[in-house]
Amino acid sequence: DTGVSQDPRHKITKRGQNVTFRCDPISEHNRLYWYRQTLGQGPEFLTYFQNEAQLEKSRLLSDRFSAERPKGSFSTLEIQRTEQGDSAMYLCASSALQGSTEAFFGQGTRLTVV
Amino acid sequence: KQEVTQIPAALSVPEGENLVLNCSFTDSAIYNLQWFRQDPGKGLTSLLLIQSSQREQTSGRLNASLDKSSGRSTLYIAASQPGDSATYLCAVRPIQGAQKLVFGQGTRLTINP
Repeated sequence: DTGVSQDPRHKITKRGQNVTFRCDPISEHNRLYWYRQTLGQGPEFLTYFQNEAQLEKSRLLSDRFSAERPKGSFSTLEIQRTEQGDSAMYLCASSALQGSTEAFFGQGTRLTVV
Repeated sequence: KQEVTQIPAALSVPEGENLVLNCSFTDSAIYNLQWFRQDPGKGLTSLLLIQSSQREQTSGRLNASLDKSSGRSTLYIAASQPGDSATYLCAVRPIQGAQKLVFGQGTRLTINP
């Protein structure tokens, strides 16, 4: 297993365009998380899935953001009508449901909205 | 609301020194605390996980301690090397809202050769 994988690594988009990011968690992990990190700050929680169910969403996740995990495996995060303030690193993490809840993170997707 | 603070925000030391990074949190009701390393433009690498019932964890030159009652954790790095230069983040998993980690802002560490 190669760990948590995110695609793309970098995305530059024009304001108003839609973007979609993909996360492939560690295969046996039931829990999947999305975080957002801006320069010089720690990551902030966006949303959490247990298997295919989205169980928690942060108030940071406006109506322009949507996340899915259709078969309880990979997840997508879509941002509609991007704004310059959406520029950030989007991080995905996964952890097991039982036993150690150690979170493992992917390399992130760096989004730049111009 | 759980808040996590890391002091100092930046630290620069000569190679070979032992050093301590600090993390404090406002609510002691946590499941665990995790220390991460982040290189510029990269994701987070998990270093150590301490469960709420534990006092410390060690991995190689790293030792993390947890004093839950006082809301403090430290990350001790022995015999620092230039390759240790990175941002170090601590995060707690609160008992309430236990599905998410709450992060500090990180300490940017520079080890000078």
